[in-house]
Amino acid sequence: GAGVSQTPSNKVTEKGKYVELRCDPISGHTALYWYRQSLGQGPEFLIYFQGTGAADDSGLPNDRFFAVRPEGSVSTLKIQRTERGDSAVYLCASSLSGSGTDTQYFGPGTRLTVL
Amino acid sequence: AQSVTQLGSHVSVSEGALVLLRCNYSSSVPPYLFWYVQYPNQGLQLLLKYTSAATLVKGINGFEAEFKKSETSFHLTKPSAHMSDAAEYFCAVGGTSYGKLTFGQGTILTVHP
Repeated sequence: GAGVSQTPSNKVTEKGKYVELRCDPISGHTALYWYRQSLGQGPEFLIYFQGTGAADDSGLPNDRFFAVRPEGSVSTLKIQRTERGDSAVYLCASSLSGSGTDTQYFGPGTRLTVL
Repeated sequence: AQSVTQLGSHVSVSEGALVLLRCNYSSSVPPYLFWYVQYPNQGLQLLLKYTSAATLVKGINGFEAEFKKSETSFHLTKPSAHMSDAAEYFCAVGGTSYGKLTFGQGTILTVHP
């Protein structure tokens, strides 16, 4: 079946602009995670959704970052007033129930470049 | 708080040689531990996971890892490297309540003919 998909695969924007990154999880997965991977680093947790609600948003770096999952499936990560330091690969993952033992399935990522 | 340290950002082996990628973790609760592999231009793929059952965990592509609580380690091994194993490998620790993962910085594995 289909895996996790993310769009766009690449996004180039100018400093100060607004961007939206989309994640389509595996159908039926209630848990959805966003991570950010900077060059040469491992992924860093941003936010966890269980269903429609953000159960843990402790990884969002500041209030320019916001994410939604209004119907419990597709999620959008929104970044306002982008800065050059926001340049990274943004990864989305989904899992069946959100249990700590669940396997997380990752999408290919969106590479964001802020000029 | 949880953390992961991967010793060696780059590891190079010859084809057919033993692969050993090191991972040490810190966790205030009994951890769940994971190894993921990332091939160029692809998403992270789970190799194996430890979820408090057997301490020796076997994964895909001939990889295995052993959970050693006394050493707080979860090293990844494969007896004989193949050219197709060349990739970046990430160790991660997860909590028991839900699946938030904390990743190490990754180890790039190069396999020479």
